[in-house]
Amino acid sequence: AQKITQTQPGMFVQEKEAVTLDCTYDTSDPSYGLFWYKQPSSGEMIFLIYQGSYDQQNATEGRYSLNFQKARKSANLVISASQLGDSAMYFCAMREGNNAGNMLTFGGGTRLMVKP
Amino acid sequence: EADIYQTPRYLVIGTGKKITLECSQTMGHDKMYWYQQDPGMELHLIHYSYGVNSTEKGDLSSESTVSRIRTEHFPLTLESARPSHTSQYLCASSDGWDTRYNEQFFGPGTRLTVL
Repeated sequence: AQKITQTQPGMFVQEKEAVTLDCTYDTSDPSYGLFWYKQPSSGEMIFLIYQGSYDQQNATEGRYSLNFQKARKSANLVISASQLGDSAMYFCAMREGNNAGNMLTFGGGTRLMVKP
Repeated sequence: EADIYQTPRYLVIGTGKKITLECSQTMGHDKMYWYQQDPGMELHLIHYSYGVNSTEKGDLSSESTVSRIRTEHFPLTLESARPSHTSQYLCASSDGWDTRYNEQFFGPGTRLTVL
């Protein structure tokens, strides 16, 4: 079974509008962390935001926020006021608690395209 | 800002050649990783290291090998390149004192094409 599922292969958003990128996860570990990374066409992976399974509040980092619904096992990324530079691949990843190697499992990604 | 470097950024090479992809980080991180990623697809972990003289295979089977003789250096070697090795290879590191969430920092990647 897929541990991280991103169901939207590609999405369009109008510049200055908000967009939500979906991520669902599967784990039986009560302790886990969820990460979102951005990958521009240049190839590097840029860390955006983190949500811990015990965090009481949804994470926010500037224009990025995480809609964390623990019971539904979803951790959707919300980008407010989209900019042309937000056009990129976005990956959701999970680190499960019992993980001495600090390893991540990645989803298949969503390609976001911002229209001017 | 992450200080993790990969060279070369792009490599086009013929079948059968031996290649080494370089990865270095200046953050003093103990853990390092190699991922393989086809264009627009998910990342697959192929190797990781807990520290010096430690190397482990990842979830995706790979014909490549790695070494970790120094903390900052984690090269990946293909003894005989084949067209099936054509992909992007991303190096990452983690476990520094300067991270809030113990996130992995990534290098810029090496895009390998084997003809």
